[in-house]
Amino acid sequence: GAGVSQSPSNKVTEKGKDVELRCDPISGHTALYWYRQSLGQGLEFLIYFQGNSAPDKSGLPSDRFSAERTGGSVSTLTIQRTQQEDSAVYLCASSFRRGADTQYFGPGTRLTVL
Amino acid sequence: AQKVTQAQTEISVVEKEDVTLDCVYETRDTTYYLFWYKQPPSGELVFLIRRNSFDEQNEISGRYSWNFQKSTSSFNFTITASQVVDSAVYFCALRNTDKLIFGTGTRLQVFP
Repeated sequence: GAGVSQSPSNKVTEKGKDVELRCDPISGHTALYWYRQSLGQGLEFLIYFQGNSAPDKSGLPSDRFSAERTGGSVSTLTIQRTQQEDSAVYLCASSFRRGADTQYFGPGTRLTVL
Repeated sequence: AQKVTQAQTEISVVEKEDVTLDCVYETRDTTYYLFWYKQPPSGELVFLIRRNSFDEQNEISGRYSWNFQKSTSSFNFTITASQVVDSAVYFCALRNTDKLIFGTGTRLQVFP
């Protein structure tokens, strides 16, 4: 079946603008995760959703970052007032359930903040 | 503290050579899960294997094999008879509650 999809694949924005990144998880997967991959920080966890439970936001680097998941499926990661240090690849993953289940990753969105 | 260390930043081999990628982890949990992912130049992280802490049997899948040793907190990955298509960055990861903690990755370059 279809894997995790993300859009856009590339996004270039100016410093101070807001951006929205979208993730469509694998159908039937109840858990959804956002990670960020940057040269300086490697792969780091941002936020995770499990069903209708409150999300784990412990990895969000600042209050400019937020995410929502509508109807237990599609998720949007929003970055407000983007800064150059936000430039990175944003990866979304989903798993059938939380915890030990394997996380399957999408192709990522490359964000460049000028 | 939960931590994954991949000490090898980059490895270069010639096709058909065997290569081992090292992974050392730290955790206080008695039950934990370890993963390996491959990131080819296209950028997408591809799942390779998941191993739980109660299963120390080595696993072989084609040219790939994994050696899990709790005594040394290591979960090493060996590619036998490497091929150019194996060129990628390989990440080892440890599950911490519901999120993955990744190592810094090992870039493998296989030359023809």
